[in-house]
This record gives sequence, C-alpha cells and structure tokens, in this order.
Amino acid sequence: DTGVSQDPRHKITKRGQNVTFRCDPISEHNRLYWYRQTLGQGPEFLTYFQNEAQLEKSRLLSDRFSAERPKGSFSTLEIQRTEQGDSAMYLCASTLGTRVNTEAFFGQGTRLTVV
Amino acid sequence: SQQGEEDPQALSIQEGENATMNCSYKTSINNLQWYRQNSGRGLVHLILIRSNEREKHSGRLRVTLDTSKKSSSLLITASRAADTASYFCATAPTSGTYKYIFGTGTRLKVLA
Repeated sequence: DTGVSQDPRHKITKRGQNVTFRCDPISEHNRLYWYRQTLGQGPEFLTYFQNEAQLEKSRLLSDRFSAERPKGSFSTLEIQRTEQGDSAMYLCASTLGTRVNTEAFFGQGTRLTVV
Repeated sequence: SQQGEEDPQALSIQEGENATMNCSYKTSINNLQWYRQNSGRGLVHLILIRSNEREKHSGRLRVTLDTSKKSSSLLITASRAADTASYFCATAPTSGTYKYIFGTGTRLKVLA
C-alpha cells in the first residue's frame, strides 16, 4: 500500500492521559499536514511540515499539542492531558510540495475518544 | 476557521439523478480540490482544478470554477447509491501559506 498510513485507527483514552498518533506519508512527499475534524464539520488545519521543518501552526494547536517529523519522514502528533473537547478525527495528509498545483492525499484518520 | 461553505448542506436524490453541490470561498486561490468522505472514514481525493481552468471532467464528475465569483460546483451525473457520502471542497490560497482550507461539506444521500 503506497497511500498515507495512520496509526492507530481508533483510540479511547481517559481524560488527562497523553496520546500519540503516527502518520506515514507517501514516500516521495515532502510536505505533511495534520487536520482535525469534528462531527458534521469540515477538516480544520492544525499544522504542516516541509521535510522536517514545522512551518505553520494553527491557533487551534494549543500548548498541549505537539507535532514532530524527525528526518522528514513519518510524523507524530501528541496530545498531553487530554480533554473531552479533544475528541475528534485526526487526519494526516501529504503532498509533493515542489509543485503548486498538486493533490493532497489523506490517510484514513485516527478517531480519538476522550472519556 | 474554514474558508468557505458548501451548498446545500444536505442533498437527497434518487439513484440515476444528477447531484450538484456548490462551494464558495473567500480568498484568491492557486487551485481548488474536491474530496469525498464516507461516514467515519478518511478523505478521498476526487479532482483538482487550477485557478486558470474553468471546467474539468473525470468520469461522472464535472467541476467548474468561477474565480470572479469565488465559487465552484461539483456535478455527479447518473448517481449511484455508492456515491452516498459527504463532499468537501478545499482551496489552496495564493497568500503565503501552503495549507488547504476546507468548506463545511455537503452530505449527499442517494436512494436506491
């Protein structure tokens, strides 16, 4: 499978716990995005990387959220001290950033439920 | 915040009919992309239209773009029950960011 891969697909955690999600982009894609989607809404931008550099972060990304992309390959999104409001689908996308008009491909997402 | 809105928010049609959904956005763009999302799943890329293109076809899909009105439409012809999903537009702004900004989505239901 050469698409964007996300792990885990589902995560249930207790409020206050830390969680970490992983995204493996399409291998030649140098740009990687994280989005959050709540029920009935469109995806909302969280952050993106060009290679290993985190170039933009949304105001939605509070200090409890941190994302990394070591070596410009896979990425992790960590949420510390989870709150019920963090319950959402977390989507990862990748694209070939050397061209302006290029498709962004999404993974299947990680659905987080905070109880 | 989300850039645009899709219209209608929900659409229910009979199999075989055409479905049209519209997307409006706010800023200048490099391109606009349409995605499909089945319930609880990831986003599937359908089609990309560049800012200098007015119309594009892919199978049963037809997309138009009117940059003067900052709007796009997605037409699905001869709909099938398997087309039941949410459809989102996403824009790539020209202004100093590489993020994609999504609309609110149209929930399409195709009745067999």
